[in-house]
Amino acid sequence: EVQLLESGGGLVQPGGALRVSCAASGFTFRTYAMGWVRQAPGKGLEWVAGISGSGNKTYYADSVKGRFTISRDISKNTVDLQVSSLRAEDTAVYYCVKYGGNLKFYFDFWGQGTLVTVSS
Amino acid sequence: SALTQTASVSGSPGQSITISCTGTSSDVATYNLLSWYQHHPGKAPKLIIYEVYKRPSGISNRFSGSKSGDTASLTISGLQAEDEADYYCCSYAGSSTLLFGGGTKLTVL
Repeated sequence: EVQLLESGGGLVQPGGALRVSCAASGFTFRTYAMGWVRQAPGKGLEWVAGISGSGNKTYYADSVKGRFTISRDISKNTVDLQVSSLRAEDTAVYYCVKYGGNLKFYFDFWGQGTLVTVSS
Repeated sequence: SALTQTASVSGSPGQSITISCTGTSSDVATYNLLSWYQHHPGKAPKLIIYEVYKRPSGISNRFSGSKSGDTASLTISGLQAEDEADYYCCSYAGSSTLLFGGGTKLTVL
């Protein structure tokens, strides 16, 4: 059974930084691209970042480029999102997602999400 | 910017409804990489359609997808109370980036 378990959310001040993590299990981790999707309060879903199975390629939404960094540790089956220079509009539930496969641009499994709140 | 979805739609049990998702020549119109997600608030979103019309294992055949030009559609037939949720489309937008729609709230009357 595929499981994605996020952790690391919390309250952070504007301009601050935080690392959210996702522990994956139930599938061959290195075979699948992974990513993060967020949902701000009262808003829709927004794709944030993606990383290839091997971890050598990363992709970002324009709204977070230069401020967020996605990485993965194949030995630990984890994928992280380092968020920095945080703004109020980054407040959201951050979902860890598993891509459907190589060059499969859909998300077949989602975690329960972790809340990041940016506020002074 | 986000793909365009109608903000809300409603239907009675047993009826059919269609949710549309409009993009541009940079996304929906060019790629058959359009997916749909069902999201009950407080829960994890769930994939219900991928690559325009394909259903994942375990998804009811009451859910169907299609696309014409820059507009994709999700049709839910035989509406049931548990279908009440938010629905999001998502399209590949080139360079390994993805774009979601603004979401459609489905109310089952």
